[in-house]
Amino acid sequence: DTAVSQTPKYLVTQMGNDKSIKCEQNLGHDTMYWYKQDSKKFLKIMFSYNNKELIINETVPNRFSPKSPDKAHLNLHINSLELGDSAVYFCASRYGLILGYTFGSGTRLTVV
Amino acid sequence: EDQVTQSPEALRLQEGESSSLNCSYTVSGLRGLFWYRQDPGKGPEFLFTLYSAGEEKEKERLKATLTKKESFLHITAPKPEDSATYLCAVDSGSEKLVFGKGTKLTVNP
Repeated sequence: DTAVSQTPKYLVTQMGNDKSIKCEQNLGHDTMYWYKQDSKKFLKIMFSYNNKELIINETVPNRFSPKSPDKAHLNLHINSLELGDSAVYFCASRYGLILGYTFGSGTRLTVV
Repeated sequence: EDQVTQSPEALRLQEGESSSLNCSYTVSGLRGLFWYRQDPGKGPEFLFTLYSAGEEKEKERLKATLTKKESFLHITAPKPEDSATYLCAVDSGSEKLVFGKGTKLTVNP
C-alpha cells in the first residue's frame, strides 16, 4: 500500500494554464505539506495543513492555492502557470511533533 | 532563521571506501535532525531522526551522529546501491522541515 500518493507523476503544460496536483495519505497522519524541489534539488516548504487548517504559507505566490477537503487529502491548484513554476512538487505527511515526515514520490511539473 | 549546510556537494567513493557526510545547522532550538535518502525520480526516504547531542543511530552500513552544531552520516564499506543523494533537515518546532542542499554520493564498483 502506498503511504503518500500523488497524481499525476508527470505534468507538462503551457504557460498561462491552470493545473492541479492531488495528494492522499493513508497513514492517519494529521499534518500534510507541500514542498517544492527546484532544478538544483533544493527542497523548500510551501504549505502545511493540520487537520484541514492552514498552518504555514511560506510566501508562495497567490497563484498557488492548497485545498484540504479532509485530513487525508491535500491538493495543490496552480493558476496562470509560469516557466519558473517548473519543478518537482512533493507532498508529505507527519503524525504529531516527533515522528519523521513521509514523502510522496513527487510530481514533475514542466511549463513550456 | 534556521539554516542547514551540507558538505561536500558531491562525493565519489570506490566500493568499500568508508567516508562521512557533514551537515552543519543553525537553529533557535533543535527539536529533531533528520537524514533522508533520495534516489533519482523518487521522493526522500526517511533514514534517521536524532534529537539530542551525543545521540547515534545505525542502519546497515549507515551511522548518524549528532553534536550541538552538526551531524555526520558515516558510511562504512559502501556498495554501489548506496549511491543516492543524502539530505539533512532540521525541525526547530516551527512545524516544518528545513533542508540542506544534499550530498550526491556515487559509489563505483
